[in-house]
Amino acid sequence: GAVVSQHPSWVICKSGTSVKIECRSLDFQATTMFWYRQFPKQSLMLMATSNEGSKATYEQGVEKDKFLINHASLTLSTLTVTSAHPEDSSFYICSASRPSDNSPLHFGNGTRLTVT
Amino acid sequence: GESVGLHLPTLSVQEGDNSIINCAYSNSASDYFIWYKQESGKGPQFIIDIRSNMDKRQGQRVTVLLNKTVKHLSLQIAATQPGDSAVYFCAETPSISSGSARQLTFGSGTQLTVLP
Repeated sequence: GAVVSQHPSWVICKSGTSVKIECRSLDFQATTMFWYRQFPKQSLMLMATSNEGSKATYEQGVEKDKFLINHASLTLSTLTVTSAHPEDSSFYICSASRPSDNSPLHFGNGTRLTVT
Repeated sequence: GESVGLHLPTLSVQEGDNSIINCAYSNSASDYFIWYKQESGKGPQFIIDIRSNMDKRQGQRVTVLLNKTVKHLSLQIAATQPGDSAVYFCAETPSISSGSARQLTFGSGTQLTVLP
């Protein structure tokens, strides 16, 4: 079964509004989660690394004030797209791994964001 | 941002035939590689992984081959079925240390279509 859950699976919002996406590890504690963005017919691009209890680490070119990440607990990380614009429309995917073993990263089922 | 006109490489195979999907990587420091399957509208699903100290690993109907000399990875799917139709991504990371967070770098992906 799924070990990483994302919510919502899709969202439509108007330009200028903010949208929050949740990523939960279901049966393990994840000190680190990753947020990816994927445009149609393209690969996954890492946006940021979410660290529990500390600031997220953003990849080059990703605006930290626009994509707010909060990892307040060991099972939940949130990504908030602030003042969304149509160019932010994309598929956002989170991932996490069990810290106690070498299992590969598990991914959520993604959130389709459409900004009108 | 999005690259206009970018298309995924495609591979079409007849049902029952074997499929071979290739991936080139550039980071010599990568020591852990994973193949993911992504169906439309879903997050990546783990298929098989391999460490750099191996050159072949087999799973159920899938085999991964690693050639470190030329930095090449391949995924072989035996007796391809309609349910195998999806986009396949290779991913690499420099570290698989237990307890460490692993950032993945994804390849560009290949669209596999299984013909009846």
